[in-house]
Amino acid sequence: AQSVAQPEDQVNVAEGNPLTVKCTYSVSGNPYLFWYVQYPNRGLQFLLKYITGDNLVKGSYGFEAEFNKSQTSFHLKKPSALVSDSALYFCAVRRFGGGSYIPTFGRGTSLIVHP
Amino acid sequence: DGGITQSPKYLFRKEGQNVTLSCEQNLNHDAMYWYRQDPGQGLRLIYYSQIVNDFQKGDIAEGYSVSREKKESFPLTVTSAQKNPTAFYLCASIQTTGVTNEKLFFGSGTQLSVL
Repeated sequence: AQSVAQPEDQVNVAEGNPLTVKCTYSVSGNPYLFWYVQYPNRGLQFLLKYITGDNLVKGSYGFEAEFNKSQTSFHLKKPSALVSDSALYFCAVRRFGGGSYIPTFGRGTSLIVHP
Repeated sequence: DGGITQSPKYLFRKEGQNVTLSCEQNLNHDAMYWYRQDPGQGLRLIYYSQIVNDFQKGDIAEGYSVSREKKESFPLTVTSAQKNPTAFYLCASIQTTGVTNEKLFFGSGTQLSVL
C-alpha cells in the first residue's frame, strides 16, 4: 500500500531559523511525492513535487524538499522561516490502483513560527 | 480566474436530513475528489471520479453519495446514515490525461455542522 507518515503533529521554530517538516513514505515502485500547505479555513495549495530527477526539489515560497531513497524520506525545508509560514503542512503520495489516480495524504504537521 | 468553487462555505444539518455540498471546477480537469478533514486526522478520501458518469468509493464512503453528470461538477450528498458528519469537506481536481503537471487543485472548503 502507498502511504506517507508525518511523525510530528507540531513544529515550532523561531523566525529566521531554518525549518524542517518531516515525512516518510511507504511505496512500492517509484514514489510520486508532494507537499501541500493549508492556511486556516482554506483549501490546500501545492508547494512542490518529486517525480524523478534531482533529489533536491525547489518549490513555492522558498521551500524545498529532499528525497532520500535509502531513508524513505521526503522532508520539507526552508533556510530561514517567516512568521507567515505558520500553517498546516501535508505530505502526500500518489497511489496507483486499477488505472486510478488517488492522492493520499499524511495527517499534517502544524508549523508555528515565533517572532 | 480558473479554479474550484465550493458552496456553501458553512452548512448546518438537522437530524435525519440529507444535505448536498456543491463543487464546480472550470479547469477542464478529468478527475475530481472529495476529502473529509477532521482535526489531527489529515484528509481522508470519501469518493473520487476519474471521468464523467463514473465514480469510485474512497476510504470512508459510508453515509455519503456522489454524482458526476457533468465534467465540471461533482456534488457530494451527506445522508442521514452518516452519524458523525461534522467536519471540513474539501473538493479537489487534477488533470490526469494528456500532459499532467501532477498538481492537485483544491476548493476553499465547506464546514458542515450538526444542529
